[in-house]
Amino acid sequence: GAGVSQSPSNKVTEKGKDVELRCDPISGHTALYWYRQRLGQGLEFLIYFQGNSAPDKSGLPSDRFSAERTGESVSTLTIQRTQQEDSAVYLCASSTPRGGRNTIYFGEGSWLTVV
Amino acid sequence: AQRVTQPEKLLSVFKGAPVELKCNYSYSGSPELFWYVQYSRQRLQLLLRHISRESIKGFTADLNKGETSFHLKKPFAQEEDSAMYYCALSLSTSGSRLTFGEGTQLTVNP
Repeated sequence: GAGVSQSPSNKVTEKGKDVELRCDPISGHTALYWYRQRLGQGLEFLIYFQGNSAPDKSGLPSDRFSAERTGESVSTLTIQRTQQEDSAVYLCASSTPRGGRNTIYFGEGSWLTVV
Repeated sequence: AQRVTQPEKLLSVFKGAPVELKCNYSYSGSPELFWYVQYSRQRLQLLLRHISRESIKGFTADLNKGETSFHLKKPFAQEEDSAMYYCALSLSTSGSRLTFGEGTQLTVNP
């Protein structure tokens, strides 16, 4: 596609339910990133994929959070037993080094509200 | 660990006035620095990177390794510059995560 695509764009869920957020990166991009942005705060790194492996998952806040990527393409971020503090925009980004540079392109985000 | 600090959460200037958005970083190595911008109801997008030494939309940013700063400047602000600006740091050019500052909301008044 033309850009990074995320779904759903908006999700309201009840506390305790599980949610899955999907990211379709730009075709051919080998690196994929997940970030979280709480209201009024900056972007918080969650996890980074290079291909299908995750060399850096240091930002995942708890074991309720997990992510996978298959086929060097789509990635899914799963939040189990959601809590109200999980309410945030979840941003996905992708990149590939070109000419020694690595430009990261962001999706529009998935707005998650836990009630 | 690397850290990016944007001391101003809000910045308001009048159209035609100079604007400077401050960014300081802490990292002992040689990072790559970026400015990202998010206009209202749009996705986050790259504005410029220090390696390119370019001017985008009239904005420039110079990396000052002595002061560990990467301030964003524009001599004459325009109303369409109103947006959220994020300074970010990457540890390599070949692919690693970005560490973001908390952002500065710039408002350019008519």
